[in-house]
Amino acid sequence: AQRVTQPEKLLSVFKGAPVELKCNYSYSGSPELFWYVQYSRQRLQLLLRHISRESIKGFTADLNKGETSFHLKKPFAQEEDSAMYYCALSNAGNMLTFGGGTRLMVKP
Amino acid sequence: KAGVTQTPRYLIKTRGQQVTLSCSPISGHRSVSWYQQTPGQGLQFLFEYFSETQRNKGNFPGRFSGRQFSNSRSEMNVSTLELGDSALYLCASSLLDQKETQYFGPGTRLLVL
Repeated sequence: AQRVTQPEKLLSVFKGAPVELKCNYSYSGSPELFWYVQYSRQRLQLLLRHISRESIKGFTADLNKGETSFHLKKPFAQEEDSAMYYCALSNAGNMLTFGGGTRLMVKP
Repeated sequence: KAGVTQTPRYLIKTRGQQVTLSCSPISGHRSVSWYQQTPGQGLQFLFEYFSETQRNKGNFPGRFSGRQFSNSRSEMNVSTLELGDSALYLCASSLLDQKETQYFGPGTRLLVL
């Protein structure tokens, strides 16, 4: 069975500091991995997906199949990055398995 | 394009009742998925519909059911409500049928008393 683990429930950093939100997964096939973000009072929305290899709002994520990880990184955090971040895996159809989420707080 | 819409936004029911939630996907999207979000269990997949067929189902009891109409609109039904069914129910739609980006609605917050 697939599983997504986000070990940190809360991550607090100062503005301008680097950020890394950890995500580990377990799945035997070739999953598609996503990061979704939920800003305060907004709906859940896609931040990025591994297949596109894009950088969105300065965030990047690299799929490491050897370590089964898909960590989200940003070199310089901004206050507007404060939000709830969810790592998710899609293996069948459009069914998503979510991690427990990490709340990122960027302090001024 | 208009985003995913869900009705109603808030609902209060009592134990034993049943409830029907509605989701209208983005125009042209044929896949609709439902998720339950609770503080304790996080986001859990309920089921997915594509072209009116249920393709995947999560680990929920049979009290949870759904359907999709020919216009891709979807409904989910929960019968014999329990206190533990109190949650935010999210609907998401996708354009295609495999591992696609999902676009989420605002959710329906259900409170069971």
